[in-house]
Amino acid sequence: RKEVEQDPGPFNVPEGATVAFNCTYSNSASQSFFWYRQDCRKEPKLLMSVYSSGNEDGRFTAQLNRASQYISLLIRDSKLSDSATYLCVVSLSGNTPLVFGKGTRLSVIA
Amino acid sequence: EADIYQTPRYLVIGTGKKITLECSQTMGHDKMYWYQQDPGMELHLIHYSYGVNSTEKGDLSSESTVSRIRTEHFPLTLESARPSHTSQYLCASSDMRGNEKLFFGSGTQLSVL
Repeated sequence: RKEVEQDPGPFNVPEGATVAFNCTYSNSASQSFFWYRQDCRKEPKLLMSVYSSGNEDGRFTAQLNRASQYISLLIRDSKLSDSATYLCVVSLSGNTPLVFGKGTRLSVIA
Repeated sequence: EADIYQTPRYLVIGTGKKITLECSQTMGHDKMYWYQQDPGMELHLIHYSYGVNSTEKGDLSSESTVSRIRTEHFPLTLESARPSHTSQYLCASSDMRGNEKLFFGSGTQLSVL
């Protein structure tokens, strides 16, 4: 079983739609969780950290469910500019490298 | 914006050549990483370093080597390039002090003919 698993998509959604991605992780001792965004042929960039209580940043909401070992990302009112690959990232501890999922590709269509 | 730089941005080279991909960061970060990524595929960690004179191999077996003589510099070397090395190589860094945010360079697209 992969350490971090994501549905690769693609998710093709119209502008204004709400879309949600899930990601599961295998190591219950994982401590830190993140969503990164990667545009085509560009480097990944941190979108948001995921906190136990859930957190929101504008149209983006991240949730963590430790019991079921999954994290989610919700995007409301999708924009064309949201089209990208969203990477789920998990850290076991500060002394081990981050583990990246394969990513979920989102295409927002006009 | 991140202060992490990779050179060259693109490199086309013949089989058997020795190459060094450069990566430098001016943020004073202790942790540095090299990832390999093919188009549309996942990131693979090939090397990382948590400080000067400290280097570790990542998850993906790689024929490359790295060095960390200075905090800001983390070059990756291929002694003899092969077509199978064709890929994008991404360098990243992060702060040791509990902040896991990774800053990535713009990458080097390597093509070995």
